[in-house]
Amino acid sequence: DVKVTQSSRYLVKRTGEKVFLECVQDMDHENMFWYRQDPGLGLRLIYFSYDVKMKEKGDIPEGYSVSREKKERFSLILESASTNQTSMYLCASSLWSRTGELFFGEGSRLTVL
Amino acid sequence: KNEVEQSPQNLTAQEGEFITINCSYSVGISALHWLQQHPGGGIVSLFMLSSGKKKHGRLIATINIQEKHSSLHITASHPRDSAVYICAVRSERRRGATNKLIFGTGTLLAVQP
Repeated sequence: DVKVTQSSRYLVKRTGEKVFLECVQDMDHENMFWYRQDPGLGLRLIYFSYDVKMKEKGDIPEGYSVSREKKERFSLILESASTNQTSMYLCASSLWSRTGELFFGEGSRLTVL
Repeated sequence: KNEVEQSPQNLTAQEGEFITINCSYSVGISALHWLQQHPGGGIVSLFMLSSGKKKHGRLIATINIQEKHSSLHITASHPRDSAVYICAVRSERRRGATNKLIFGTGTLLAVQP
């Protein structure tokens, strides 16, 4: 069974803390994505990676960075968390193809106090 | 105006009813996805369409490329179908651009027993 695993389901952090969200997929997919989901706004793409060490900014990259040192792992980093980064974060992966199906993780709900 | 619009935003149905959720988009696409998200849970891919119609159990998805419209139908609805249903389109690949997904804001479906 295909699997995308996010390291934490729920996190509570303080303003200014550094936050790491980890995502691992076991499907040998080239593409990996980080989204945030907020009520009324839907899913918005933060960053995208199409290969090891390769990344592209999504629609809302400000305040975030990413790391992809290995094909199966894609990390989202909040260098200095702020309250407006309180959200649900979803990782996804897909094959590099024109119509690649997306596989999502269970999500990480981050609260920044 | 959003590039992907879903209707209705909220839908309440009685168990057994036939349900239709609509998705209209304004960009050229290579594929359209229907996704399901249960409360507090991750997102599951239901269908990926580039033309015509697909059926899986009680779920049917159709797409009309010329009219830039897709529908998700649920026959003999059940309370366990209660979830948020999200339409997402994969934009046509442009030279030098990322082939990315554009999401609708979702339709919240509640099926009452």
